[in-house]
Order: sequence, then structure tokens, then C-alpha cells
Amino acid sequence: AQKITQTQPGMFVQEKEAVTLDCTYDTSDQSYGLFWYKQPSSGEMIFLIYQGSYDEQNATEGRYSLNFQKARKSANLVISASQLGDSAMYFCAMREAFYNQGGKLIFGQGTELSVKP
Amino acid sequence: EAQVTQNPRYLITVTGKKLTVTCSQNMNHEYMSWYRQDPGLGLRQIYYSMNVEVTDKGDVPEGYKVSRKEKRNFPLILESPSPNQTSLYFCASSTTGLQPQHFGDGTRLSIL
Repeated sequence: AQKITQTQPGMFVQEKEAVTLDCTYDTSDQSYGLFWYKQPSSGEMIFLIYQGSYDEQNATEGRYSLNFQKARKSANLVISASQLGDSAMYFCAMREAFYNQGGKLIFGQGTELSVKP
Repeated sequence: EAQVTQNPRYLITVTGKKLTVTCSQNMNHEYMSWYRQDPGLGLRQIYYSMNVEVTDKGDVPEGYKVSRKEKRNFPLILESPSPNQTSLYFCASSTTGLQPQHFGDGTRLSIL
């Protein structure tokens, strides 16, 4: 069965330092998408970054980069130069083909990141 | 601005009183979906729609209805709400395929 595992329930990082949030996934599909979402305490779900399974280069979006290691089935999020506003819950998610409920998102349990001044 | 708009953001209501949570997107996306988020259970898909007039059940459809009469709108209907439907609800939309789903700001629903 498809699965996303985030092993870090909570993490602390000092402001301006980099932090890596871990994510491993399990799928038998060759074609899939991997995503990271941010959920601040206000509750909204904010899309951060996307990696396709056939993309050869790691995705980057500003201070966010996705360290994609296909053979290890890992998709770690790296946040560079952490800011206080980065404090939030972070979810790793995967999307497979349309036959799986239209391509529903499968979420991990989340990592709560706290940035210390 | 490209966005998914949900209303209301917050609602407290009573058991059995029909309610509708609206969802509208302005990105011309074919795919729309509803999720609910509960502590310890994560996010679970309720219903989804691949296009106009095409809807199907997700993982937890009991007690909910949806419709997709127009491409931009995908309302979630609770005909007879019960306390176990107290949750944070999200509408999401995307193109078909493996592209990112974009979420609305969420609706916090409390049913007493």
C-alpha cells in the first residue's frame, strides 16, 4: 500500500540556520509526484514544492529545496536560512496516477518545526 | 490571483441542521477534491471530481454529498450533520495527472 513516513514529530532549529525534514515513501508505481506542504497554526495548507518521479534534478523554490533520492525512496525538504515565520507543521505528500481515487494526495503525519530566535 | 476559495471559514451548528460548504477555484482545474483533517488521523479524502458532472467517493464519504455542475464550483453538503463530522475541511484543486493540488484556507466545522 502507498505510504508516506515522516519520522520526526517535532524539530527545533535556530533562526538563520538550515534544517532538513525527513520523508520516505512507498509506492509500486513508476510515475508519481512528491510534495511538501506547510500548515501554520492558522490552519491553511500552503503548497511549497513539487518533485516528479522522472525529474532528474532536485526541485528548488526559493529557500526550499527537495533532496530526492529515488533509489532510497526519500524526499527530504531542506529549508535554508530559517526564519521565525517558518514555524509550522510540514507535511510530505505523494500523488499517484488518476486511477487511485483521481490521484488523491497521501499525506505523512507531519513534522512540527519550531524556529528559535 | 489564482486561488481556491472556501466559505465559511468557521461554522458552529447543531446536529441535524443541513449545511453546505462552498468551494470555488479560478484556475480552470479539472480535478477537485474534499479532505478532512482530524488529530491522529491526518488528512483523508472525502469525495473527488475529475470534471463537470463526474464525482466519486474517497476514503470517508459517509454522511456527505457533493455536486459538480460547473467546473469552478464543488460544494460539500452535510444533509444531517452529526458531532463526528466536527473537523477541519479542505477543498483542493489541480489539473489532472501528478501536478500539485492547491488548497483553500480550510473550514473549521463544529457540530454540537
